[in-house]
Amino acid sequence: QVTLRESGPALVKPTQTLTLTCTFSGFSLSTSGMCVNWIRQPPGKALEWLARIDWDDAKYYSTSLKTRLTISKDTSKNQVVLTMTNMDPVDTATYYCARIRTISCSGDYWGQGTLVTVSS
Amino acid sequence: QSVLTQPPSASGTPGQRVTISCSGSSSNIGSNPVNWYQQLPGTAPKLLIYSNNQRPSGVPDRFSGSKSGTSASLAISGLQSEDEADYYCAAWDDSLNGLWVFGGGTKLTVV
Repeated sequence: QVTLRESGPALVKPTQTLTLTCTFSGFSLSTSGMCVNWIRQPPGKALEWLARIDWDDAKYYSTSLKTRLTISKDTSKNQVVLTMTNMDPVDTATYYCARIRTISCSGDYWGQGTLVTVSS
Repeated sequence: QSVLTQPPSASGTPGQRVTISCSGSSSNIGSNPVNWYQQLPGTAPKLLIYSNNQRPSGVPDRFSGSKSGTSASLAISGLQSEDEADYYCAAWDDSLNGLWVFGGGTKLTVV
């Protein structure tokens, strides 16, 4: 059974760096075809993709946010970490980690999401 | 402003058939398969359709997808009250280094 769970601070101050951890089970990120993404959703708004990391350590970032994002993986801990620098109130959102199915990535599973509020 | 364009809202009565459109470009829908997601309030998105028209196990055959050129559509037949939700299309985009793009979402109301 595949599960993903996001963890991190519920509240961060403007200009701080956000660190989110996705802890997963039921698969290994060292297996070909495995990819983990981060997606966010501001309250009442649409989904916005942030970043993806693949089994071979390939990394992809949102064009508009790439200067602020870093994605990494710890295969031994079954974790993927996303850092986002210089947080702003507009970054308030529910942050999801997910496997999204496409040609080169198998399966489609989502975590429950974690709400991050940016406020002083 | 989302890269993929969806109508913000759609509606239908129980038993009706509704379609939701998703318009993109040659670098995303025109080159890659489309996924469709259903999001109920307060929950994570759930995959309804992958590879343009494939249903994961457990998804009723009332849901169907299609793609033509740089556009895709989700059809829901035999509309039920529990289908009231937000629906999102998504596709990988080959521009730059590659990235996922989502539609702005369509809120479906069952009246």
